[in-house]
Amino acid sequence: GENVEQHPSTLSVQEGDSAVIKCTYSDSASNYFPWYKQELGKRPQLIIDIRSNVGEKKDQRIAVTLNKTAKHFSLHITETQPEDSAVYFCAASSSNDYKLSFGAGTTVTVRA
Amino acid sequence: NAGVTQTPKFRILKIGQSMTLQCTQDMNHNYMYWYRQDPGMGLKLIYYSVGAGITDKGEVPNGYNVSRSTTEDFPLRLELAAPSQTSVYFCASSYSAPQGIYNEQFFGPGTRLTVL
Repeated sequence: GENVEQHPSTLSVQEGDSAVIKCTYSDSASNYFPWYKQELGKRPQLIIDIRSNVGEKKDQRIAVTLNKTAKHFSLHITETQPEDSAVYFCAASSSNDYKLSFGAGTTVTVRA
Repeated sequence: NAGVTQTPKFRILKIGQSMTLQCTQDMNHNYMYWYRQDPGMGLKLIYYSVGAGITDKGEVPNGYNVSRSTTEDFPLRLELAAPSQTSVYFCASSYSAPQGIYNEQFFGPGTRLTVL
């Protein structure tokens, strides 16, 4: 099955700086890559996703890039704010699959 | 819409006891999922269902059972609870599979289970 690795496990950034989280996947048939954000004590929520026919997608201060050849994708958060502090999970799903495989998560802390 | 609801929010079990975690969604979603979240380990899929009457195993199904008799409900049964089942359990649902258009998985608030 699909194996998703996520790095780093923790990330501390100064408010206003950028944060980058990277994920690699093993199944070359994977073609859907969502990112979820989980605030402390809350449920995970989808923040952005990308499909394999697109190399980059942006939504305000967040962006995701995909490199199919290298089988990795990244989440970029610019101009970080205290409310960006959370655990972020990447995930992948291959064609004809009914489920997502999640990375282990990255705890992001934005320092004021 | 209440979205995805789970009960109970917290539960402490003794080793060997059994319990059912309830999950209900009111969005008419076809796909439902059960995950467990251990610290630093991400979300591991226990079981999933693509529609009423159809269930399948995920990555970590041992020690659990599910049923899906209606579109709305997807209960998770723990038989003979063990300390290794101490975790936070999330139920999720989506209208379509990850490859579909309406594929966002909506999560419930979670159930924190401790087995002593």
